[in-house]
Amino acid sequence: DAKTTQPTSMDCAEGRAANLPCNHSTISGNEYVYWYRQIHSQGPQYIIHGLKNNETNEMASLIITEDRKSSTLILPHATLRDTAVYYCIVRVVNAGGTSYGKLTFGQGTILTVHP
Amino acid sequence: KAGVTQTPRYLIKTRGQQVTLSCSPISGHRSVSWYQQTPGQGLQFLFEYFSETQRNKGNFPGRFSGRQFSNSRSEMNVSTLELGDSALYLCASLPGLLTGELFFGEGSRLTVL
Repeated sequence: DAKTTQPTSMDCAEGRAANLPCNHSTISGNEYVYWYRQIHSQGPQYIIHGLKNNETNEMASLIITEDRKSSTLILPHATLRDTAVYYCIVRVVNAGGTSYGKLTFGQGTILTVHP
Repeated sequence: KAGVTQTPRYLIKTRGQQVTLSCSPISGHRSVSWYQQTPGQGLQFLFEYFSETQRNKGNFPGRFSGRQFSNSRSEMNVSTLELGDSALYLCASLPGLLTGELFFGEGSRLTVL
C-alpha cells in the first residue's frame, strides 16, 4: 500500500473549518483514499473515502487533487467533540471491486479543537 | 443494529500466560480483521478472516493466532505472553469482500505484568 504523510498535529477553533492535509504521492490507480479518526481510547471511526472525485457526507468533505498525490479532509464546522487523531489511509481495491480488511495506519494528525 | 462487540474489555495477565480475545462482528458481516495498538508502534494489522479462512496476515510472531467460526465470530489468541504484548486489541468487521468501511469495536485492553 502507498505511504501517507500527515502533519503531526493541528489546532482549530470551535466553529471554524478544520482542513487536514495528507500526502500520498506514490498512490496507485487502484488505491482509494480513506479517512478514519480515533477519539481517545475508542476504536477508529470511519469518516469518508474516495478514489478521484471530491466526496461529501454528513461528517466531512474530501478533496483529492487531480493528480491524486494529495488530499484534504475538511470538517466544515469543528466542535470540541472532533478532537481526535485523524488517519489518512490508502487502500487497494482489486479489479473486481473487492478489497481486504487490512488498513495500513500511519501516525495520523492529532487535531485539537479549542473553544 | 448492534455494533462490533469485543470481550473482555480489560484484562490483566502475567508473562508466560496465554490469552483469548473474542469479537462478534456486526450482524451480516462476514469479514473480521484484528489490529494491535501500542503507543510505540501505533495501529498494526494482525490478520483478517473471511468465511472461516485467514485471508491476510500481518508481520507478527506465531504466538499470535486467530480463527473464525461459522457464525462469523472470531477469536484471537496470544500464547506465552510478553510485556510488549500489552496493548489495545481492536477488531473490525466488514460486510464481505466488497469495498466499504471497516467498523471497529471498542477494543480489548490487555496489560501484561
